[in-house]
Amino acid sequence: NAGVMQNPRHLVRRRGQEARLRCSPMKGHSHVYWYRQLPEEGLKFMVYLQKENIIDESGMPKERFSAEFPKEGPSILRIQQVVRGDSAAYFCASSPGPQEGYTFGSGTRLTVV
Amino acid sequence: GNSVTQMEGPVTLSEEAFLTINCTYTATGYPSLFWYVQYPGEGLQLLLKATKADDKGSNKGFEATYRKETTSFHLEKGSVQVSDSAVYFCALSESTGANNLFFGTGTRLTVIP
Repeated sequence: NAGVMQNPRHLVRRRGQEARLRCSPMKGHSHVYWYRQLPEEGLKFMVYLQKENIIDESGMPKERFSAEFPKEGPSILRIQQVVRGDSAAYFCASSPGPQEGYTFGSGTRLTVV
Repeated sequence: GNSVTQMEGPVTLSEEAFLTINCTYTATGYPSLFWYVQYPGEGLQLLLKATKADDKGSNKGFEATYRKETTSFHLEKGSVQVSDSAVYFCALSESTGANNLFFGTGTRLTVIP
């Protein structure tokens, strides 16, 4: 049973480009959570999704960031018109239910040049 | 608000040395406390947890005691091994669900033979 798969592991984008980060949850998990770790800071919650629904997006920046978890396929975190301050490690976690044990992926490290 | 303050790293120890990684927290209620570990190239894994005051979480030789009076949850291990080299994150949650985790900045531990 594969764990939470995130790709790419490393992503380099120029300022103004779009970044797409993918997260495939563990088999049987229908809840996905995205976290961001800025340099020298702890992981901070961004968004919580269930299949086709956003449950909690209280940690998402108001502009340029969006997330989806379609019925089929991975969850996608999309950052439009990236800026240097978006450089961070983005972690995804998944769980079988809203209050059940969750498993983290190994993260995507985004570098904006 | 909720926050976690974690001992800054990196920490370098010789094999069989004693490990302490300090963690203190601020919370409005009665949180659960966690230690996560991230081995190189892998996702965060739950190492241990404690859900109420004076509880001791333990796993793989690591221990941490929930101290309400000092708002602390320090991680300890009596004799570290090279395989313990990883990044350790302290976290708290005031309710269940992975969208309610607050993390510290992480402490990188390197154990040398």
